[in-house]
Amino acid sequence: GDSVTQMEGPVTLSEEAFLTINCTYTATGYPSLFWYVQYPGEGLQLLLKATKADDKGSNKGFEATYRKETTSFHLEKGSVQVSDSAVYFCALTPVNTGFQKLVFGTGTRLLVSP
Amino acid sequence: NAGVTQTPKFQVLKTGQSMTLQCAQDMNHNSMYWYRQDPGMGLRLIYYSASEGTTDKGEVPNGYNVSRLNKREFSLRLESAAPSQTSVYFCASSGSTVNTEAFFGQGTRLTVV
Repeated sequence: GDSVTQMEGPVTLSEEAFLTINCTYTATGYPSLFWYVQYPGEGLQLLLKATKADDKGSNKGFEATYRKETTSFHLEKGSVQVSDSAVYFCALTPVNTGFQKLVFGTGTRLLVSP
Repeated sequence: NAGVTQTPKFQVLKTGQSMTLQCAQDMNHNSMYWYRQDPGMGLRLIYYSASEGTTDKGEVPNGYNVSRLNKREFSLRLESAAPSQTSVYFCASSGSTVNTEAFFGQGTRLTVV
């Protein structure tokens, strides 16, 4: 079945460092790809998405590009802040589901220190 | 703007007890979902309701039942709680197309002792 694999955390960075969180997927066809973020004590929020190959999703300084050839959707940010500390989930929606039935990766915790 | 509201936020049950987790959304979404979140396993789909009047099993449905009471409300019931059901439960809702955003509640932390 469809699946998402994320790098294990935690990822520990100093403020203003460059961030990459790797995500690869296994799916038939062209699924839609998402990054969700979970801040402490809260539910998940959509961070960005891409719906077709070579699309770049971006929001709040975060970016991810849908790479069909490498089945990847890596999350990047040029300069992280303490407020970015959270758990980040890569997810996909299988093709032809007709609605938002998400398949999640295991999540990667990001810790940013001042 | 409330979004997706779950109750309760915390609950402790004894093995064998039953309870219902409540979820309501005010965004007029057709689709609603229940996920559980466990350490190292991400979120896994328990049940979903693609539209009012329909429910279907997800990845991990055993030990749970659901009711789509109306378009707004989607409840999750544990008939006989087991320690393996200790988890954080999230309700979510979305529109009817693949690329629309899913909105999540704040979660219910359930401990079964």
